[in-house]
Amino acid sequence: NAGVTQTPKFQVLKTGQSMTLQCAQDMNHNSMYWYRQDPGMGLRLIYYSASEGTTDKGEVPNGYNVSRLNKREFSLRLESAAPSQTSVYFCASSFARGDTQYFGPGTRLTVL
Amino acid sequence: QKEVEQNSGPLSVPEGAIASLNCTYSDRGSQSFFWYRQYSGKSPELIMSIYSNGDKEDGRFTAQLNKASQYVSLLIRDSQPSDSATYLCAGGRIFGTGTRLQVFP
Repeated sequence: NAGVTQTPKFQVLKTGQSMTLQCAQDMNHNSMYWYRQDPGMGLRLIYYSASEGTTDKGEVPNGYNVSRLNKREFSLRLESAAPSQTSVYFCASSFARGDTQYFGPGTRLTVL
Repeated sequence: QKEVEQNSGPLSVPEGAIASLNCTYSDRGSQSFFWYRQYSGKSPELIMSIYSNGDKEDGRFTAQLNKASQYVSLLIRDSQPSDSATYLCAGGRIFGTGTRLQVFP
């Protein structure tokens, strides 16, 4: 039982490059989330998926897209990376909206 | 904008003391509240959840919720150096910026 896994752990991109962050959970959770964490800013919600087949914008969705591929997987895509997207990205899951969230180990992304 | 506010700290307490962490929230519709602990370079992990007014105790930790005042707190009794971390308060899926706790021997 791995919980929530994220790949990659580290990534360096050049401005304008694209990439997809992968997230998977094996806890049969319905809801999944993507956050970014910047110094002094706490965790800010980018997108979430309340259940398979649905996605909704969070506080800071600009520059990102998501796909809820199936119940287990929720990916985050940066189409054209910008230095402002340098951050630590966390994926999380919960059984339902409003329940305890379980976090993955994070992806440290640097955009040059 | 729905917000959760915390004092960023650092809050410094001596080993064995009680650490008191506080949080206020703006969304009166929030039903669930959480305290997460985050060590430097690691991901957040749940310490306590609380859903109804009053106190909830789990070992050395006590969470308190006052919906009328829109206030959530976490008390850590007998603080240990291993409790030194950032504590994140969350109302549903909205997180505060965290309070850094330092417990010194």
